[in-house]
Amino acid sequence: GAVVSQHPSRVICKSGTSVKIECRSLDFQATTMFWYRQFPKQSLMLMATSNEGSKATYEQGVEKDKFLINHASLTLSTLTVTSAHPEDSSFYICSAHATGDSSYEQYFGPGTRLTVT
Amino acid sequence: RKEVEQDPGPFNVPEGATVAFNCTYSNSASQSFFWYRQDCRKEPKLLMSVYSSGNEDGRFTAQLNRASQYISLLIRDSKLSDSATYLCVVTLYNQGGKLIFGQGTELSVKP
Repeated sequence: GAVVSQHPSRVICKSGTSVKIECRSLDFQATTMFWYRQFPKQSLMLMATSNEGSKATYEQGVEKDKFLINHASLTLSTLTVTSAHPEDSSFYICSAHATGDSSYEQYFGPGTRLTVT
Repeated sequence: RKEVEQDPGPFNVPEGATVAFNCTYSNSASQSFFWYRQDCRKEPKLLMSVYSSGNEDGRFTAQLNRASQYISLLIRDSKLSDSATYLCVVTLYNQGGKLIFGQGTELSVKP
């Protein structure tokens, strides 16, 4: 089946530093990947849609200069949280939509738990 | 008003019970409907799609009422392993497959 990996699975960083999270589709190509954030006891909130070879589309209220997204290949998208603050601590999950798939199915990565101290 | 609303629960039920989850969506342009399951501190996993005619997968039955903008999930003969958060998810027409998640309903099945 379709597998999506994320790296790292867990990261602790100091306030003010930047953190990069990778999302890879391992056995399929993904023109479109999605980045979500989930706070405790809350649902997933879409942050941005990442399109291979073009700029990401950010949801309302998500700062594009703070959450940098790069989707340079059909199997890799990265999310960089710049100048992280404690309020950025959250569970970040990516998903990928297989190129050419007419359904809306997305395959989710296992998530990255970010803690900013 | 949230785009997708669910009863947050938690639902605490004994093994073998039947439990039903409800979900309403606000946008009539919603196109596709799903139930996902999310275990604690894990990613969501697709449980089943929801079709207008209703569909069943083993102990799980999903229903969709487009007129009322209402989706349901019925779990029969619940197992301990069914304990999780169940997420109601919709997509909107012409939105590039963007998934909109409800806040989830927590289920705890007890022995």
